Amino acid sequence: KQEVTQIPAALSVPEGENLVLNCSFTDSAIYNLQWFRQDPGKGLTSLLLIQSSQREQTSGRLNASLDKSSGRSTLYIAASQPGDSATYLCAVGGTGNQFYFGTGTSLTVIP
Amino acid sequence: DGGITQSPKYLFRKEGQNVTLSCEQNLNHDAMYWYRQDPGQGLRLIYYSQIVNDFQKGDIAEGYSVSREKKESFPLTVTSAQKNPTAFYLCASSPSQGALTNEKLFFGSGTQLSVL
Repeated sequence: KQEVTQIPAALSVPEGENLVLNCSFTDSAIYNLQWFRQDPGKGLTSLLLIQSSQREQTSGRLNASLDKSSGRSTLYIAASQPGDSATYLCAVGGTGNQFYFGTGTSLTVIP
Repeated sequence: DGGITQSPKYLFRKEGQNVTLSCEQNLNHDAMYWYRQDPGQGLRLIYYSQIVNDFQKGDIAEGYSVSREKKESFPLTVTSAQKNPTAFYLCASSPSQGALTNEKLFFGSGTQLSVL
């Protein structure tokens, strides 16, 4: 069964810093990988989707990369802002037509 | 605005009671999902449905039931057989076949279920 891990579980950075969030998965036979943002007590919002044939996707200050062979993805956030504070989750779309979610990284950007 | 509406936002269940969580979408999506989120854990799939009148069990279906009589609606019933129902429940949808295609997953705002 696919297992998805996100390290660290929590991260605090000063405003303006660039940062990287990590996601690793055990089975490289994936169809896609998505990064989500979740605010406290809210649902998830999809930020970026990377197809299995792609290496990266960019949206504004966000850049996500995918290395299927090593089972890793990173989410790079440039010039962090207090409004970026949230929990970030990754999910892989794989066999069994299921999405497998990591436990998330809780990000705090300090003004 | 298109989206997914979950209700109620908060729900309390008494011992031995069945409760139903509502999920409605106006995105014209074929696939719908129910996830359970517990503190410190990733989302776990309860049930999913790819078309009307068809649904499949996820990893933690025991103690839950669903129906898909209309494309836009996918209600989840938490039965008395679910002994530890306290969690945040999230409904999601995707245009067609979800994980097997390169489609984004859209989520509702969730229902927090607690046991009295």
